[in-house]
Amino acid sequence: KAGVTQTPRYLIKTRGQQVTLSCSPISGHRSVSWYQQTPGQGLQFLFEYFSETQRNKGNFPGRFSGRQFSNSRSEMNVSTLELGDSALYLCASNRGEGYGYTFGSGTRLTVV
Amino acid sequence: QQQVKQSPQSLIVQKGGISIINCAYENTAFDYFPWYQQFPGKGPALLIAIRPDVSEKKEGRFTISFNKSAKQFSLHIMDSQPGDSATYFCAARNSGGYQKVTFGTGTKLQVIP
Repeated sequence: KAGVTQTPRYLIKTRGQQVTLSCSPISGHRSVSWYQQTPGQGLQFLFEYFSETQRNKGNFPGRFSGRQFSNSRSEMNVSTLELGDSALYLCASNRGEGYGYTFGSGTRLTVV
Repeated sequence: QQQVKQSPQSLIVQKGGISIINCAYENTAFDYFPWYQQFPGKGPALLIAIRPDVSEKKEGRFTISFNKSAKQFSLHIMDSQPGDSATYFCAARNSGGYQKVTFGTGTKLQVIP
């Protein structure tokens, strides 16, 4: 059974650019959540999608956005990148209430 | 009120010893408390989870103890092994908040031979 797949694994971008990260959840999982992980802030919730609808959003600026497609695959976009956006971005899928997350290995974004 | 406080930040335990990580929360609406284990270069992996109607849950060498009145829960790793060396995160979820999970700040565990 395939796990949660995130692409790309590594990215280096320049300040001011934008970036799109992709996440393919486990087959049958309709909920996809995104987290930002940094050494200083830990795991911070970005947003959660279920059946193409954003159900929850964390306290991040509007530069961070996401979407989910009909096949449950999700993308997140960060525009006008800042140095502080350098982080590991983790996607997690979930098969429903009462079940824990399955995380992908993340995308390591470095902004220079 | 959404915070989950985790301690210690780091922990060194001898092989065969017991590792104990503690967490505390404020939001009484939390109703699901998972623990995640993360190895370098990997995403967190669900280790064990508990609901507040149970005071203890054991899976192999891993045990969660839950104290609802104190709003605290802890992870005990019995017979700690070098392969347990990883970062551990406690977490809490409010079902009313759909899948949003609030994580503790993590504990870096090192088990030395």
